[in-house]
Amino acid sequence: EPEVTQTPSHQVTQMGQEVILRCVPISNHLYFYWYRQILGQKVEFLVSFYNNEISEKSEIFDDQFSVERPDGSNFTLKIRSTKLEDSAMYFCASRSGRGGGSDTQYFGPGTRLTVL
Amino acid sequence: AQSVTQPDIHITVSEGASLELRCNYSYGATPYLFWYVQSPGQGLQLLLKYFSGDTLVQGIKGFEAEFKRSQSSFNLRKPSVHWSDAAEYFCAVALYNNNDMRFGAGTRLTVKP
Repeated sequence: EPEVTQTPSHQVTQMGQEVILRCVPISNHLYFYWYRQILGQKVEFLVSFYNNEISEKSEIFDDQFSVERPDGSNFTLKIRSTKLEDSAMYFCASRSGRGGGSDTQYFGPGTRLTVL
Repeated sequence: AQSVTQPDIHITVSEGASLELRCNYSYGATPYLFWYVQSPGQGLQLLLKYFSGDTLVQGIKGFEAEFKRSQSSFNLRKPSVHWSDAAEYFCAVALYNNNDMRFGAGTRLTVKP
């Protein structure tokens, strides 16, 4: 069964550094998402991406964040200058977009980001 | 304001007992409704979803959920819990375009032997 993959599984970085989290969505899916989950808290929507542009974003997704689909398979989340509070599990998700909206978002296993 | 509420932070049940996890939502219209499960250190696995039609939805691992429009609820049930069901359960909703999924705070399930 196809699945969403994410790399790395765990990233440790220093405050102020840039990080890029990578995701490979399910092949032929059209919609892509990033979510984050701060330890012990709920999963929060960050951004959705369709047709090479952001379709929706939350208030969390400020100028420090950016997303990109650099090629036909990868979907990346960049944090330009990490802060301690960016430490979280980041989940990528994708959905086919062929269900008229009634299709499922499939989640990757997550990347745990630790900012020191 | 739009919100998803899971009133129970932590529930403990005995193995073999029945389970019901509560979820309420507050949206202007009926959203799409989901239940996900997260085992420790793992990602999110979809248990079931409701978009329309029959309000009783069957999912994987023996779970089911019932949508009640009058109560704005989508409670998850299982008739007999197994030790492997111990995990965090998240209710989630998405509006008509299924693009902006909002999660509840989660309910942690502990299963006693």
